[in-house]
Amino acid sequence: EAGVAQSPRYKIIEKRQSVAFWCNPISGHATLYWYQQILGQGPKLLIQFQNNGVVDDSQLPKDRFSAERLKGVDSTLKIQPAKLEDSAVYLCASSVRTGGYEQYFGPGTRLTVT
Amino acid sequence: GQQVMQIPQYQHVQEGEDFTTYCNSSTTLSNIQWYKQRPGGHPVFLIQLVKSGEVKKQKRLTFQFGEAKKNSSLHITATQTTDVGTYFCAGQSKTSYDKVIFGPGTSLSVIP
Repeated sequence: EAGVAQSPRYKIIEKRQSVAFWCNPISGHATLYWYQQILGQGPKLLIQFQNNGVVDDSQLPKDRFSAERLKGVDSTLKIQPAKLEDSAVYLCASSVRTGGYEQYFGPGTRLTVT
Repeated sequence: GQQVMQIPQYQHVQEGEDFTTYCNSSTTLSNIQWYKQRPGGHPVFLIQLVKSGEVKKQKRLTFQFGEAKKNSSLHITATQTTDVGTYFCAGQSKTSYDKVIFGPGTSLSVIP
């Protein structure tokens, strides 16, 4: 069984530029999560999808971050414009469905904003 | 809102010593999950606890869920260098069933 795929693995951009991350969850997983993990901290949930609907986006900075999962499969997370404090690892995870199921994480995208 | 805390933040042990990390939630949980993240890696699921007072074991790892379902612990017996990493608890609130909150993690170093 293939795991959660993410690309790119690394990205360096200047502040005020835009960037997009892609995630392909495990086949058949209805729930997809985007997390931000700042060095030395735990993953912080940015947005959670159930199929192509948003379950929770309460911690997503909506003035600069956006995410979509149009066909209920893969997803993109965009930052526009980026700030220095956005430097972090962006993790995508998926689970069979929402509500207490094991989350499978992808390798993450390490973003550096200079 | 719901908060999940973990102590200690860091723990350095000699190989062979035991290790325990504690997780506390500000709200009652429906379940709690534990994940391990190796340096440079991504979180990997270890276990889920659901019942009040539940205890589960995985080889040298023992997981407990408190009676009030607001706290949990992970105990490792006789640590090995392969245990190095950060251990996160992730709690799912009873009041916000779909939301999982990760704790800040406990970073374990094992000195050979």
